Amino acid sequence: GEDVEQSLFLSVREGDSSVINCTYTDSSSTYLYWYKQEPGAGLQLLTYIFSNMDMKQDQRLTVLLNKKDKHLSLRIADTQTGDSAIYFCAETFNQAGTALIFGKGTTLSVSS
Amino acid sequence: KAGVTQTPRYLIKTRGQQVTLSCSPISGHRSVSWYQQTPGQGLQFLFEYFSETQRNKGNFPGRFSGRQFSNSRSEMNVSTLELGDSALYLCASSWTVGNEQFFGPGTRLTVL
Repeated sequence: GEDVEQSLFLSVREGDSSVINCTYTDSSSTYLYWYKQEPGAGLQLLTYIFSNMDMKQDQRLTVLLNKKDKHLSLRIADTQTGDSAIYFCAETFNQAGTALIFGKGTTLSVSS
Repeated sequence: KAGVTQTPRYLIKTRGQQVTLSCSPISGHRSVSWYQQTPGQGLQFLFEYFSETQRNKGNFPGRFSGRQFSNSRSEMNVSTLELGDSALYLCASSWTVGNEQFFGPGTRLTVL
């Protein structure tokens, strides 16, 4: 069945780059998403990439997609303490709908 | 434009009771999805509605149900509550099926 895997923790220093990795299983996913969740809050859509793209850049965020290996990564440049949160990778459940399958989330801790 | 709103934000119930949660999507959005978030299982898809019709359903028992109204607002109901139903219930809306989803702040349900 469909599954999304992420490493659970990442710790970086302020000003460094952060790279959060994700692997997925459903090659028919049209879109792949990155969401951010801060304590006590809902999910904030950070960025997404269409499955026929290799890379997408949005200010400090860079998404890389390797369809052959079913690997997705999110790079955050110049990481700030405000970036500390849980980051979720998600793929679409199937082509018929919008339903998402999420990874367990990567907790990013940024120290000053 | 106002975001996705969910009511109530917090709810405490006892085992055996039933509960109804409400979600108002972003104005103009016609697709609403529901997710359950728990520490153990992570984020799991419950169901998706578009134009008052359920399009997808996740792997949850029949105690979990939902509906969507003509104004796109959605409700989900959980009957015969169990301790394991304690979770953050998140609603997400999108303009149509297949578009990016925007999440509300969630309803925190505690079952005693």
